[in-house]
Amino acid sequence: DARVTQTPRHKVTEMGQEVTMRCQPILGHNTVFWYRQTMMQGLELLAYFRNRAPLDDSGMPKDRFSAEMPDATLATLKIQPSEPRDSAVYFCASGWPLAGDQETQYFGPGTRLLVL
Amino acid sequence: AQSVAQPEDQVKVAEGNPLTVKCTYSVSGNPYLFWYVQYPNRGLQFLLKYITGDNLVKGSYGFEAEFNKSQTSFHLKKPSALVSDSALYFCAVRDIRGYQKVTFGTGTKLQVIP
Repeated sequence: DARVTQTPRHKVTEMGQEVTMRCQPILGHNTVFWYRQTMMQGLELLAYFRNRAPLDDSGMPKDRFSAEMPDATLATLKIQPSEPRDSAVYFCASGWPLAGDQETQYFGPGTRLLVL
Repeated sequence: AQSVAQPEDQVKVAEGNPLTVKCTYSVSGNPYLFWYVQYPNRGLQFLLKYITGDNLVKGSYGFEAEFNKSQTSFHLKKPSALVSDSALYFCAVRDIRGYQKVTFGTGTKLQVIP
């Protein structure tokens, strides 16, 4: 049963520290999304990649957030420096819109981040 | 610009009764429409989608949704609710033209009362 995996599942850190979240998309999927979920803002799209190239990162605060795909099996989201307002659940999702399973996104379990 | 609205923050229904979770959308062209469900402390799970074809779409766990172009709606329905259906439900839309990112609604919390 193929799944999107995310590490760590939980992260508590102090303001100013660097945070790195990792995502392993489903093997063969060529599109990866990063979302942030909070009670106040709901689900926000931060960035997405297709074939490892960033297509849209307009939802991401550029001064402190960065997203990369070093290879097809790994996506990373970094926050440096972290702030308390970054506390949220961060989800990664993957998909393969050119395949028969058109447009469906498969979500990982999320990384719950708390910045003190 | 595309958008999706879920007018109800919360829906309560008794177990065994039919349920409806409402969704309306706005796109310039024709839409792709989706429903996802989120259980506590979990990621979103795909339920069903409308791409083309029949307006009535059947999905997982007995859910279905009806695409109504004239009313720009895509309401989620189930004939008989289960307590285990209690969760957060998200509607999502994207314009089929070009490649646009999917826009998610704010979510509707469904509570099924035993």
